[in-house]
Amino acid sequence: DAKTTQPNSMESNEEEPVHLPCNHSTISGTDYIHWYRQLPSQGPEYVIHGLTSNVNNRMASLAIAEDRKSSTLILHRATLRDAAVYYCDGGSNYKLTFGKGTLLTVNP
Amino acid sequence: DSGVTQTPKHLITATGQRVTLRCSPRSGDLSVYWYQQSLDQGLQFLIHYYNGEERAKGNILERFSAQQFPDLHSELNLSSLELGDSALYFCASSAPNTDTQYFGPGTRLTVL
Repeated sequence: DAKTTQPNSMESNEEEPVHLPCNHSTISGTDYIHWYRQLPSQGPEYVIHGLTSNVNNRMASLAIAEDRKSSTLILHRATLRDAAVYYCDGGSNYKLTFGKGTLLTVNP
Repeated sequence: DSGVTQTPKHLITATGQRVTLRCSPRSGDLSVYWYQQSLDQGLQFLIHYYNGEERAKGNILERFSAQQFPDLHSELNLSSLELGDSALYFCASSAPNTDTQYFGPGTRLTVL
């Protein structure tokens, strides 16, 4: 399974953009990159996924490096409800594996 | 609310015992996945069922087993429980031909 590396924590102010990085240097050519987030006492929640091209949805954007060894989750305008632990997974498409993720704190 | 339900929410039991965790997927979803989340190991994939058939196994111990029934609900059976089995157990479901998984609220298992 591909291993991922994320910063332990990041901080942002409300209404500002947030860029959450992830390294997945062992990802294989056909594995999708998935991002999920988890609020306290809840199950993980899907955010976005992509293969090679950058992706946008109503929640976030995903920027994927050309060599696919890293990606960045972009929250364009952070809100207090975005405070959560964010996980990236660059492994087999459905066998999600998360490490400790990045704890995002959003300041009002 | 993801539409995936799990029961019970909390379970406290003793070492050596056996427990059953239950999961009901979202309406229309044929895939069910089971995961274990602990502080030191993060989220680990255990097993995947599709329309009643086992599709893939991850780091699932031999003391653990699962099945998916004709009505698509799934059960995860944990036996000969050890202290180290204490964790959050999540079930997720997905629709056919999609990657997005929808997670339930989890079952917190405490083994004393």
